[in-house]
Amino acid sequence: GDSVTQMEGPVTLSEEAFLTINCTYTATGYPSLFWYVQYPGEGLQLLLKATKADDKGSNKGFEATYRKETTSFHLEKGSVQVSDSAVYFCALGDSGYALNFGKGTSLLVTP
Amino acid sequence: NAGVTQTPKFQVLKTGQSMTLQCAQDMNHNSMYWYRQDPGMGLRLIYYSASEGTTDKGEVPNGYNVSRLNKREFSLRLESAAPSQTSVYFCASSESSETQYFGPGTRLLVL
Repeated sequence: GDSVTQMEGPVTLSEEAFLTINCTYTATGYPSLFWYVQYPGEGLQLLLKATKADDKGSNKGFEATYRKETTSFHLEKGSVQVSDSAVYFCALGDSGYALNFGKGTSLLVTP
Repeated sequence: NAGVTQTPKFQVLKTGQSMTLQCAQDMNHNSMYWYRQDPGMGLRLIYYSASEGTTDKGEVPNGYNVSRLNKREFSLRLESAAPSQTSVYFCASSESSETQYFGPGTRLLVL
């Protein structure tokens, strides 16, 4: 079945460092891909999404490109801030039903 | 516009007790979902409702029942709570298979 694999955390970075969180997927069709973010004690919020191959989703300085050839949707940010500390989830949307989530990657940004 | 609301925020139960988690959305979405979040497991779908009057099992439905009371409300019931149901429960809604909007979660401890 469809699934998502994302890099294990936790990831610890200094402020202004470059961030990459890897996400790869397995799907039989042409799914939409999402990145959600969960701040401490809160629910998940959509960070960005892409609905077809080569689409780039972007929001708040984060970017991810839907790569069909490598079945990947890696999350990047050029300069992280302390306020970016959170758990990031890659997700795949298929067949009109619920999302398939990765296990989440915890990011801690230190001053 | 409150989005997705969940009650209660926290709950402690004894093994064998029952309770209902409430969820409501004010975005006029057709689809609603219940997930559970456990450490290292990401989010797993318990039940979903594609539209008012329909419900379907997700990945981990055992021990739970749901009711789609109307278009706005989707409740999750634990008939006889077990320690394995200790988790954080999230409700979500969406208009289609695309972006899902999450509530703040209910933290449940079963002793």
